[in-house]
Amino acid sequence: DTGVSQDPRHKITKRGQNVTFRCDPISEHNRLYWYRQTLGQGPEFLTYFQNEAQLEKSRLLSDRFSAERPKGSFSTLEIQRTEQGDSAMYLCASSPSWETPDGYTFGSGTRLTVV
Amino acid sequence: AQTVTQSQPEMSVQEAETVTLSCTYDTSESDYYLFWYKQPPSRQMILVIRQEAYKQQNATENRFSVNFQKAAKSFSLKISDSQLGDAAMYFCAYRFPQGGSEKLVFGKGTKLTVNP
Repeated sequence: DTGVSQDPRHKITKRGQNVTFRCDPISEHNRLYWYRQTLGQGPEFLTYFQNEAQLEKSRLLSDRFSAERPKGSFSTLEIQRTEQGDSAMYLCASSPSWETPDGYTFGSGTRLTVV
Repeated sequence: AQTVTQSQPEMSVQEAETVTLSCTYDTSESDYYLFWYKQPPSRQMILVIRQEAYKQQNATENRFSVNFQKAAKSFSLKISDSQLGDAAMYFCAYRFPQGGSEKLVFGKGTKLTVNP
């Protein structure tokens, strides 16, 4: 297993366009998370999946954002009608679903630039 | 709401020396988890060390150790024998008790520079 993979690494889009990012977690990890990191800030939680169920969403996740994990494996994060304020690093992470909470394994992120 | 504060935006240390990064947090919970993550310039966040709040013993991982002061809500990271590869952003993070929110709450980070 090569860890958490995110695609693409970079995305430049024009304001108003839709973008979609993909995350492939570690195969045996049931939990998957999306975070957003803007320049000079720590990551901010967006949403969490356990298997295919989206169990937690942040208020940061506006109506323009949607995330899916249809088969409990990879996940996609779509941003519709992008705005300049959406420019950020989007991080995916996964963790195993056993009793003792542990640290996440993060991907390298997708850097979105909205022009 | 739970918050995490890292009061040192930047720190520097000489190679082979020791440096301590500060972190304070606010919570009304009694049982929770604390983490230090490292984010090198390549961007992938890496777990450095974790601490369960119910454990009084401070966690250690090789050259990395924490000073966990639960009453003061303080969770500092000490890096001993600093190496050039330790240069990175370091983030302190709080995790809710089991059964609560699954999210991590991060501080704004401390940029560590290691001088040769």
